[in-house]
Amino acid sequence: AQKITQTQPGMFVQEKEAVTLDCTYDTSDPSYGLFWYKQPSSGEMIFLIYQGSYDQQNATEGRYSLNFQKARKSANLVISASQLGDSAMYFCAMRGMGDSWGKLQFGAGTQVVVTP
Amino acid sequence: SAVISQKPSRDICQRGTSLTIQCQVDSQVTMMFWYRQQPGQSLTLIATANQGSEATYESGFVIDKFPISRPNLTFSTLTVSNMSPEDSSIYLCSVRRMNTEAFFGQGTRLTVV
Repeated sequence: AQKITQTQPGMFVQEKEAVTLDCTYDTSDPSYGLFWYKQPSSGEMIFLIYQGSYDQQNATEGRYSLNFQKARKSANLVISASQLGDSAMYFCAMRGMGDSWGKLQFGAGTQVVVTP
Repeated sequence: SAVISQKPSRDICQRGTSLTIQCQVDSQVTMMFWYRQQPGQSLTLIATANQGSEATYESGFVIDKFPISRPNLTFSTLTVSNMSPEDSSIYLCSVRRMNTEAFFGQGTRLTVV
């Protein structure tokens, strides 16, 4: 069975600082994908970044980068130069293969508050 | 990115009634997914909707409570039946585009009174 763990319920970060959101996972699938989403108070889920289990390089997307450590089964999200608009809930999610292809399993989320 | 239009965006419903949520995608997709997010919680998959076949429900979710339609490759509906206050949640549809992208609709914020 797959499991996604986000151990930080909430974090405060100052504007323009970097913040790292932790995500660890557990799966027996040799092939899997890891996603990060941002959910502002409006409720929509905004796709941020994806990392495949066979990707050799860490994924980056603008101010977002994913610190993928496969041996440790961690996929931490790094947000550089935080902005006030980054205040939101952040979810880590994983997809497996086989019957679960296409389904996402989500972590509990981390609430980020960016302060001036 | 996929454009997913979900409606209604929010609703307040009386207990015992039903609400149908619509999800329209701007291009054809094989599978669509419906998730529920209870207040203060993470997202949980309700079911996978394939065109031309019955939806596949996850453990804890049944067709009588959450009937799903998938009449074509761009559209799906989720009905929340015989609602109770415990059904108050955000409901989201999702589609996969390629292997590396999964997009969500704007969500439907449901309050049952």
